[in-house]
Amino acid sequence: GNSVTQMEGPVTLSEEAFLTINCTYTATGYPSLFWYVQYPGEGLQLLLKATKADDKGSNKGFEATYRKETTSFHLEKGSVQVSDSAVYFCALTLYSGGGADGLTFGKGTHLIIQP
Amino acid sequence: EAGVTQFPSHSVIEKGQTVTLRCDPISGHDNLYWYRRVMGKEIKFLLHFVKESKQDESGMPNNRFLAERTGGTYSTLKVQPAELEDSGVYFCASSQQGEKLFFGSGTQLSVL
Repeated sequence: GNSVTQMEGPVTLSEEAFLTINCTYTATGYPSLFWYVQYPGEGLQLLLKATKADDKGSNKGFEATYRKETTSFHLEKGSVQVSDSAVYFCALTLYSGGGADGLTFGKGTHLIIQP
Repeated sequence: EAGVTQFPSHSVIEKGQTVTLRCDPISGHDNLYWYRRVMGKEIKFLLHFVKESKQDESGMPNNRFLAERTGGTYSTLKVQPAELEDSGVYFCASSQQGEKLFFGSGTQLSVL
């Protein structure tokens, strides 16, 4: 079956530190990959996505590259801010079209940024 | 434009009671999904509506869960009778076909 594995949290960093949240996946086909973010008191929001190998998704200073050879989609940001504190979810879908039908999520990584 | 809204935001009930969760999707979105996150575990897919029809309900855990979407607008998810393991956050999401998914802020259900 399909699954997503993320690094366990919470991850605590100081402001302006470099961030990496690891995500690896197993899938029976060629998935589209996503990172969702949930800020306190809000719903999940799509942060970025990549639909094929070697694609790089980016948004709000965050980046993730679809690595087929290592089945990974690690999330990175060069300099984090307190406002980045949230829970981050890696996800995949095997549905075509790059949409979000049938998402499989990881457990989520709670990121805490200290001033 | 209003987002996906869920009601209530929190619900605390006793084992054996009934609870009904409601989701109002974004107007015009045919696709409506229910997901659940049990504490410390993945967000799991429960079911998918296209308009008023159940497209995929493979994630529904058992027959104590009943989801409806009469008229293809809002949806309800009823748990009857609730058990301790039903505790978690229930998320609703909506989308147009193949487009970005919009999530509600979830209902935190605690079964005591």
